[in-house]
Amino acid sequence: AQSVAQPEDQVNVAEGNPLTVKCTYSVSGNPYLFWYVQYPNRGLQFLLKYITGDNLVKGSYGFEAEFNKSQTSFHLKKPSALVSDSALYFCAVREGTGGFKTIFGAGTRLFVKA
Amino acid sequence: DTAVSQTPKYLVTQMGNDKSIKCEQNLGHDTMYWYKQDSKKFLKIMFSYNNKELIINETVPNRFSPKSPDKAHLNLHINSLELGDSAVYFCASSQESGYTFGSGTRLTVV
Repeated sequence: AQSVAQPEDQVNVAEGNPLTVKCTYSVSGNPYLFWYVQYPNRGLQFLLKYITGDNLVKGSYGFEAEFNKSQTSFHLKKPSALVSDSALYFCAVREGTGGFKTIFGAGTRLFVKA
Repeated sequence: DTAVSQTPKYLVTQMGNDKSIKCEQNLGHDTMYWYKQDSKKFLKIMFSYNNKELIINETVPNRFSPKSPDKAHLNLHINSLELGDSAVYFCASSQESGYTFGSGTRLTVV
C-alpha cells in the first residue's frame, strides 16, 4: 500500500532564506510524486511532479523538488522564500503505470516571516 | 472558464437530511475523484471514476453514493447526514498524472 509522510507539521522561515519542506514515501513499483499548495479557503493547486527522468524537478512559483530513490524522499525546496509562499503544502504519491489512487500526506504549514 | 467547478460552495444542513454536491470538469480528463478534507486538513480519497466507471471506492459509509452520468461530471449524494460528515469535499480530475482540483464544498451539518 502507498503511504506518504510529511514529518513536520509546520516550517518557519524568514523571507529571503531558503526553505525545505520534507516528504518521504512508500510505494510498490515506480512512484509518481507530486507537490500541491493550498491557500486558505481554496482548493489545492498543483506545483510540480516527478514521473521519470531528472531527479531535480522545477515547478511553479520558483519551487523545485529533488527525488531521492535511495532515501525514498521528495523534498520541496525554494532558494529564497517569500511571505506570499505562506500556505499549506501537501506531498502526494501515486503508484506508477496503471495506478489511479493518489495518497496525500498530512500537510505541512509553511510560515514565512517578513 | 473554471476547469473543475463544484456546486454549491457552501452547504449548511440539518442532521438526517439528504444532500447532493455536483462537480463538472471541462478539461476532457478521463478520471474524476472525490476527496474529503477534515478539520485538521487531512485529505482522504473517497471515490474515483474513470470514463464513468467506478474504480476506487474507499472505506466510505454507504450513505455516500457517487454518480457519474458522463466523464465530465461526478456528483456525490449523501443520505441521512451526520455531524461527522461536516468537512470540505473536493472534486478533482486528472488525465495522466497531476490533479486539477475544484475549489471545494464546505458542508456543515448542524
